[in-house]
Amino acid sequence: LAKTTQPISMDSYEGQEVNITCSHNNIATNDYITWYQQFPSQGPRFIIQGYKTKVTNEVASLFIPADRKSSTLSLPRVSLSDTAVYYCLVVKDSNYQLIWGAGTKLIIKP
Amino acid sequence: GAVVSQHPSRVICKSGTSVKIECRSLDFQATTMFWYRQFPKQSLMLMATSNEGSKATYEQGVEKDKFLINHASLTLSTLTVTSAHPEDSSFYICSATGILSTNEKLFFGSGTQLSVL
Repeated sequence: LAKTTQPISMDSYEGQEVNITCSHNNIATNDYITWYQQFPSQGPRFIIQGYKTKVTNEVASLFIPADRKSSTLSLPRVSLSDTAVYYCLVVKDSNYQLIWGAGTKLIIKP
Repeated sequence: GAVVSQHPSRVICKSGTSVKIECRSLDFQATTMFWYRQFPKQSLMLMATSNEGSKATYEQGVEKDKFLINHASLTLSTLTVTSAHPEDSSFYICSATGILSTNEKLFFGSGTQLSVL
């Protein structure tokens, strides 16, 4: 399973766009990329998932370059409630044995 | 999305007692469930994977006799922490996957905070 690397922490301000980049150099052909958000003492919450190029949903966008060795989660116009830990994971299509890295602790300031 | 219900959300017990945590998939058949533990300010650590009707597969270093996992139906898995000790105090999270038509394939419970006195 491919391990991911992402910044330990990031700060931003309300209303800004936040981009969190994750590297996954050993991603395999059938793997896809998933991002989760976790608040303290809660289970992780799915944000977005993609295989290549760009995916957008109502809360975020995910940019994946052609070589798929990295991906960037983009959160538009963040608010204080977006303060959380964000995890980037590589997922095999056939099972969900995930390797959880340290995640990125995102702190949004007023 | 699909819903995974986990409870209790918080449990405090005395050292030496056993604690059972339930994880239920409410609106889909969970063919596979995962159990994690998470210490404060750390990431999730996979403890075991259970497929319905089969024995759980435990990760290296996880005592199967201490952390009993049962996945007897397609909607319920339980984790029993036997003879709990203070070092077992942690946040336990379950997740489930199954045959789903949604883009999101893996769903998490809300977690159980176990405190062993």
